[in-house]
Amino acid sequence: DAGVIQSPRHEVTEMGQEVTLRCKPISGHNSLFWYRQTMMRGLELLIYFNNNVPIDDSGMPEDRFSAKMPNASFSTLKIQPSEPRDSAVYFCASSPPGTYNSPLHFGNGTRLTVT
Amino acid sequence: SQELEQSPQSLIVQEGKNLTINCTSSKTLYGLYWYKQKYGEGLIFLMMLQKGGEEKSHEKITAKLDEKKQQSSLHITASQPSHAGIYLCGAAHIPGTYKYIFGTGTRLKVLA
Repeated sequence: DAGVIQSPRHEVTEMGQEVTLRCKPISGHNSLFWYRQTMMRGLELLIYFNNNVPIDDSGMPEDRFSAKMPNASFSTLKIQPSEPRDSAVYFCASSPPGTYNSPLHFGNGTRLTVT
Repeated sequence: SQELEQSPQSLIVQEGKNLTINCTSSKTLYGLYWYKQKYGEGLIFLMMLQKGGEEKSHEKITAKLDEKKQQSSLHITASQPSHAGIYLCGAAHIPGTYKYIFGTGTRLKVLA
């Protein structure tokens, strides 16, 4: 099992640039989550998908953030335009079908720095 | 305000000592999860508790859930340097959804 794969691991960009983070969930998992982790706010849920459909995006900070899941094996989180306050570690997680109590499996995250 | 409060925020213990981390929810819990995170890495699932009074153990780590108090504790016996990291509790406050939230984490350092 390859686990949840995120790319890139590190991203440094200038303010105003577009940033795209990528995630490949574990094969067979049908729920996918995007989280953001900062020292100040901890781990925040941004959006989650079930069977490729966005279910709850109430955690997305503002219109500059968008997420897509075109198929069961790929998701993107895009920030356009990026701002310094977007600097954080972004995690993708997936969980298997079955029950709402399945634990989440996390990727190693993408550390985003916006200068 | 945080819906899941963890205490302490950080902890430094001598190797071999026991320690306890607490997680308190401001809302009804529908499942409580414990994860461990090492710096620069993702979260590793440790244990899940679903019922009040439930207790689970994995190696030297034991977790308990007090549903009435909306609280969980994580206890490490005879700590080792390998236990160092950030421990996070997670929970679903809305039944029948995947909307998990996480506590702010407890940073554990174990001195050899």
